[in-house]
Amino acid sequence: KAGVTQTPRYLIKTRGQQVTLSCSPISGHRSVSWYQQTPGQGLQFLFEYFSETQRNKGNFPGRFSGRQFSNSRSEMNVSTLELGDSALYLCASSWDRDTEAFFGQGTRLTVV
Amino acid sequence: AQRVTQPEKLLSVFKGAPVELKCNYSYSGSPELFWYVQYSRQRLQLLLRHISRESIKGFTADLNKGETSFHLKKPFAQEEDSAMYYCALAHSGTYKYIFGTGTRLKVLA
Repeated sequence: KAGVTQTPRYLIKTRGQQVTLSCSPISGHRSVSWYQQTPGQGLQFLFEYFSETQRNKGNFPGRFSGRQFSNSRSEMNVSTLELGDSALYLCASSWDRDTEAFFGQGTRLTVV
Repeated sequence: AQRVTQPEKLLSVFKGAPVELKCNYSYSGSPELFWYVQYSRQRLQLLLRHISRESIKGFTADLNKGETSFHLKKPFAQEEDSAMYYCALAHSGTYKYIFGTGTRLKVLA
């Protein structure tokens, strides 16, 4: 079966702009989580959605938001981009709690 | 504070030698511990989790609550084990992972 798909793979934005990243989970998976990966901070949890509801949230400013649709696809949005938002954004999906999380290949966002 | 520490950024061993990737954690409660691996140009994938107590690709990890450690071990390293390894903990029943900074394992021929 197809893995977790993230689009786009690469993105370049200007400071102050906003961006939307997309994640299509594995078919049948209901949980989608988002992570930010940077060389300095490593992998940091952003938020998790389950059945269209945010179930957990990390320690990121309100500029970072997300949502999940009825087909479990998820989007994350970052508004008023800052240079420090440049990172690899990873999405992971799973069927439910206590089941393996599968990661996508990520979207590399560069803010200039 | 909840934290996962992987003290080694890089670990180089020769093929056939034993491997131990260290992971220590601080967490108040009962965490679930995981090891994730990322091979070159591949996505992050689960290697093993402490609750399953299984051996994957020859790797094992035992949760030591007294020492708050979850070290990853393999008795005989193979070249194909070269990869980035991340230790992670999760609040029980969630996917709110806290990742360590990772250890790059290089297995030399």
